[in-house]
Amino acid sequence: NAGVTQTPKFQVLKTGQSMTLQCAQDMNHEYMSWYRQDPGMGLRLIHYSVGAGITDQGEVPNGYNVSRSTTEDFPLRLLSAAPSQTSVYFCASSQTGEGGYTFGSGTRLTVV
Amino acid sequence: GDSVTQMEGPVTLSEEAFLTINCTYTATGYPSLFWYVQYPGEGLQLLLKATKADDKGSNKGFEATYRKETTSFHLEKGSVQVSDSAVYFCALSPEKLVFGKGTKLTVNP
Repeated sequence: NAGVTQTPKFQVLKTGQSMTLQCAQDMNHEYMSWYRQDPGMGLRLIHYSVGAGITDQGEVPNGYNVSRSTTEDFPLRLLSAAPSQTSVYFCASSQTGEGGYTFGSGTRLTVV
Repeated sequence: GDSVTQMEGPVTLSEEAFLTINCTYTATGYPSLFWYVQYPGEGLQLLLKATKADDKGSNKGFEATYRKETTSFHLEKGSVQVSDSAVYFCALSPEKLVFGKGTKLTVNP
């Protein structure tokens, strides 16, 4: 099993550019989430999904869009990148939430 | 809303010392509780979990007990090793994970 796969691992964007961070899981998990990790801030939830076709906002959703057209994939779109979005992004998935989440290895994004 | 508060770090210990990292939570209902560990340059790994009151989660010598009366889930280890140096996160769920801010542990030989 590959688990949770995030691509790319590293990315540099210019202010105003758009891009999509990819997240795929092969465990048939219903729950998927996106977090950003910033120094001293811990992990903050951006968006989450409890199943295909269902998404909801987390703590810091502004500037990000998601969709969940399949169980396996949960891409995160940055609409117009800003330096404040420089961060490490983690995707995670879980079958029910109660048993714990499996995390991807992260995408380190720098916006200049 | 739901929230997790864990002790501020960093924590520096000598090898074989006793470790406690405090974690308290605020939640509606009865969440599941977790400790995650993040080693330098890596993603998060689930260390242990507890899904109901009085459950004890344990793994790799670490333990934590789900205390509903004190809304706590403190992480303990009797004898830490240099390899335990990492950042530890307390979290709750089920629908979405809510994290504490993390505690950085450094263990010196």
